[in-house]
Amino acid sequence: EAEVAQSPRYKITEKSQAVAFWCDPISGHATLYWYRQILGQGPELLVQFQDESVVDDSQLPKDRFSAERLKGVDSTLKIQPAELGDSAMYLCASTSRAAVTSQETQYFGPGTRLLVL
Amino acid sequence: AQSVTQLDSQVPVFEEAPVELRCNYSSSVSVYLFWYVQYPNQGLQLLLKYLSGSTLVKGINGFEAEFNKSQTSFHLRKPSVHISDTAEYFCAVSSDRGSTLGRLYFGRGTQLTVWP
Repeated sequence: EAEVAQSPRYKITEKSQAVAFWCDPISGHATLYWYRQILGQGPELLVQFQDESVVDDSQLPKDRFSAERLKGVDSTLKIQPAELGDSAMYLCASTSRAAVTSQETQYFGPGTRLLVL
Repeated sequence: AQSVTQLDSQVPVFEEAPVELRCNYSSSVSVYLFWYVQYPNQGLQLLLKYLSGSTLVKGINGFEAEFNKSQTSFHLRKPSVHISDTAEYFCAVSSDRGSTLGRLYFGRGTQLTVWP
């Protein structure tokens, strides 16, 4: 069964350092989402891609976060510089439909757990 | 904008007992409703979803949920739980109107713990 891949699974860094997370969605999935899940809370959307284009990045802290999906396949989320409050699980999800619709099931990867010291 | 309230942060229950996890949503437009499950150190997996039609939705692992428009609720139920059902459960809502298409709004989650 096809899965969303994410790496690394765990990352420990010191504040002010740069970190990057990678996501490879299920093959053929056009829509890709990055969520942040703070401990004890539900996931919150950071950025949504349709192919290589950003559809929604209204919740992305753009002074320190950036995301790209250059070829419309895999994606990278970067934080520079990292802050203590960035400690969280970063989840990637994808959906299969070429046209974005709110009815589609989002398939989630295992996440990257980030700890900023 | 949509929002989701999960009324119980933790639900302890004995094995083979029934369970209900409560979810209420707030939205001024028609919504789609989802329940996801998250096992420790894993991503989220879809349990079931309501798009339209019958208000009783059946999902995987013996779970079901009932959509109640008048009470704006979408409670999750299982008649007999197993130890393996221990996990975090998230209710989520999305809409084709008034928000970015495909965007999910999640509740804070309910930790279900099944005791032997």
